[in-house]
Amino acid sequence: EVQLLESGGGLVQPGGSLRLSCAASGFTFSSYAMSWVRQAPGKGLEWVSSVSGGGGGTYYADSVKGRFTISRDNSKNTLYVQMNSLRAEDTAIYYCAKGSMRQRLDYWGQGSLVIVSS
Amino acid sequence: QSALTQPASVSGSPGQSITISCTGTSSDVGGYNYVSWHQHHPGKAPKLMIYEVSNRPSGVPDRFSGSKSGNTASLTISGLQAEDEADYYCSSYTSSSTLVFGGGTKLTVL
Repeated sequence: EVQLLESGGGLVQPGGSLRLSCAASGFTFSSYAMSWVRQAPGKGLEWVSSVSGGGGGTYYADSVKGRFTISRDNSKNTLYVQMNSLRAEDTAIYYCAKGSMRQRLDYWGQGSLVIVSS
Repeated sequence: QSALTQPASVSGSPGQSITISCTGTSSDVGGYNYVSWHQHHPGKAPKLMIYEVSNRPSGVPDRFSGSKSGNTASLTISGLQAEDEADYYCSSYTSSSTLVFGGGTKLTVL
């Protein structure tokens, strides 16, 4: 059974940093691209970033480019996103998902809440 | 990249059919067959219902179907059931090698 479990969310001040993790199980992690998708309060889903199975290819939405860094550790079956220079508009539930822009997002975690506020 | 355009809400009675549209451009929906539909019940993980325009993952009822014409994709749910009430999002690969979602459609089963 595929399982994705996000962690690392919380309250952070504007301009601060946070790193989210996503522990994966139930599939060959290194064989699949992985993604982060977020949902701000009262808003729809927004794609944030994707990384290839080997980690060499990374892709970002314009809204986070230069501030967020996606990475993965295939030895630990874990996906990460390092979020720097956080803004109020980054407040959202962050979901990790198996897949990417051209690989269907077929499994999602339950999400991790990030609140950027002073 | 602008969000794909979906109606904010649709509704239908049990047993009826509804269709949700998803309009983009030739740089996303119209240019690629990488259109997906996700069902999202608030507080839960989104669930993939349709991928690559018209393919259903195993376990998704055949009441759900997808199609595309030009720059507009559609999700049709036939034989509407109470548990279908949820938010539905389309998404598409784009020419910028990104993924864009629609604004979401709230389906109400009357």
